[in-house]
Formats: sequence, C-alpha cells, structure tokens
Amino acid sequence: EAQVTQNPRYLITVTGKKLTVTCSQNMNHEYMSWYRQDPGLGLRQIYYSMNVEVTDKGDVPEGYKVSRKEKRNFPLILESPSPNQTSLYFCASSFSSRGGSPLHFGNGTRLTVT
Amino acid sequence: GESVGLHLPTLSVQEGDNSIINCAYSNSASDYFIWYKQESGKGPQFIIDIRSNMDKRQGQRVTVLLNKTVKHLSLQIAATQPGDSAVYFCAEKVNQGGKLIFGQGTELSVKP
Repeated sequence: EAQVTQNPRYLITVTGKKLTVTCSQNMNHEYMSWYRQDPGLGLRQIYYSMNVEVTDKGDVPEGYKVSRKEKRNFPLILESPSPNQTSLYFCASSFSSRGGSPLHFGNGTRLTVT
Repeated sequence: GESVGLHLPTLSVQEGDNSIINCAYSNSASDYFIWYKQESGKGPQFIIDIRSNMDKRQGQRVTVLLNKTVKHLSLQIAATQPGDSAVYFCAEKVNQGGKLIFGQGTELSVKP
C-alpha cells in the first residue's frame, strides 16, 4: 500500500531532550516536507526537500533540523525541544514539487514538550 | 506577510444540500491551488487542484472555482453527505517552488 509513515504517533518529552520523528514513503517520491499544525494557525511548513541531499527552510524552521540522505526517508530532528514546539506534526511527500503533483500526508505525530 | 485565509471558520449544512467553502489568497505569484480534506485523527487528503490558467475544474461531486481578479478560490461540494464532515484547507504554491502555504481551515458539519 502506497503510504507515508510517521513514527511515533504520540510522543511526550521534556525540554532539552533531543528527539527525532521519522518519516518514510514507499512511493519513490522526490519531494518531501514537514508541517506543524496548531489551533487557529493551520498547517505551517517547517522544512522541505526537493530531492536527496537538497533541503530548504519553510516558514517556521527555527528549532528544527532535517536530513535527506535517502529518497524514502526524511527525519525531523529537534535538538533541544521547547514547550512551544508542542504541536501536531505531519510529514508529506509528492512525486515532484511541480503543480499537479498532490501531497500525500502521513497520519501525524502529536508531540508534547513539558 | 502574504497568506492564505478563509472567510468562515465553520460551516453547517443539511445533508443533500450543496456546500461552498471559500478561500482568499494574497500571493499574486501563486499559480497552483489545492483543496485538502482533513478528518479527525488523520492527515490531510487531496481533493482537487487547479492551475492559475484555469477558472474552473470539476471532480466527482466537487468543483473548484478560481477568480484571479479578486484572488479568490472556492470549493463546491454537491449533495453534501455526512462523510463530507471534516476540516477543509485551501493551499497555494508557486509552480515548481517548494513552499506550500495553507489556509487556516473551515470545519464543515453536515446535519442529517
């Protein structure tokens, strides 16, 4: 089944403890992206990757890192999480970044930082 | 800054009626627009898209209208069903660019 898989689905951590949220897609998509979803603010783009070894900042990249060493994986790294990073995170992928190539989303990771 | 926004945060319709969800955008360079549906506990799902060289595009029970003059996008759902209850997001991007900007979402509630 074609899908975007995020892990974990739920994560509770403490301030400053490094964490990684994994994202993997099995559709051979070139483009991958991370979003955070907060009440009243909708979905905001954190980072995106147009292809392997190519990553760029979205609208809210502060406090996050990503890497794209392989086509299928796009992990989101929080080196020193803070409470304002408590949010619902979505990974997404598409065949390319061109119009006409819709995004496929994972089911989300709910992160709580205390 | 430039943003995509929605006119109404909630919309309640009777089952069988048509629904219209509106969206305003402000980035005149955007040339590709997408509507997503998000059900509770799930990630957004693609519904329909439209390029800026089109005014209208139809899918199964859904139609997207684009008015570039007033920078307005709408999603029409025909014969709305209970399964259509969800949050709907519009999104915009500049073609071939990597940034995708989402609106805040409209919650559609369908009354039986």
